[in-house]
Amino acid sequence: QVQLQESGPGLVKPSETLSLTCTVSGGSISSYYWSWIRQSPGKGLEWIGYIYYSGSTDYNPSLRGRVTISIDTAKSQFSLKLNSVTAADTAVYYCARVKITSHQINWFDPWGQGALVTVSS
Amino acid sequence: DVQMTQSPSSLSASVGDRVTITCRASQTIATSLNWYQQIPGKAPKLLIYATSTLQSGVPSRFSGSGSGTDFTLTITNLQPEDFATYYCQQSYTTPTFGGGTTVEIK
Repeated sequence: QVQLQESGPGLVKPSETLSLTCTVSGGSISSYYWSWIRQSPGKGLEWIGYIYYSGSTDYNPSLRGRVTISIDTAKSQFSLKLNSVTAADTAVYYCARVKITSHQINWFDPWGQGALVTVSS
Repeated sequence: DVQMTQSPSSLSASVGDRVTITCRASQTIATSLNWYQQIPGKAPKLLIYATSTLQSGVPSRFSGSGSGTDFTLTITNLQPEDFATYYCQQSYTTPTFGGGTTVEIK
């Protein structure tokens, strides 16, 4: 069954760019949608955005302008970049597969184990 | 954004109990409501999608119901592995999650 694993720096300085990668194993990255979700004590669970294997994307309006999601199907990886970070971006970041029908997100399953990213100088 | 409000925020229950968790949407979301279970230190796990359909492998003691703005997750015959935090998530518009309900051991 498909498994997802996040990787990347656990500490990012304010105003810099947060970068994370999700590696998909046990299944194909193609023909699916993939998403990033974060969880913080202050904001709870927050959907960040998704990418289709073809490269099309959609982002949460609250983060649009700061976030970029990209995909490398050859490596079975997709990535998150969030720029101009502040302490409010400190969270556990999850990657997940997304079920989408008629361009509408349905649900997220499965999820990666999560990666804690702290924004601090 | 559609705001999702869960109640209670926490509850204490015993093994074998029946537990009901409520999720209310700030506007109608039809039946576009999913439930997740999160064990501390782990990722959320999909339990129920589209209000009442159990994800494959989820025990039948879990059930979901509702429509419009009011939804419930019911766990009958609570088991030790069910002590966790449960989240609802609407998929009618830009997805948003409830604040969670923690089920603790009494």
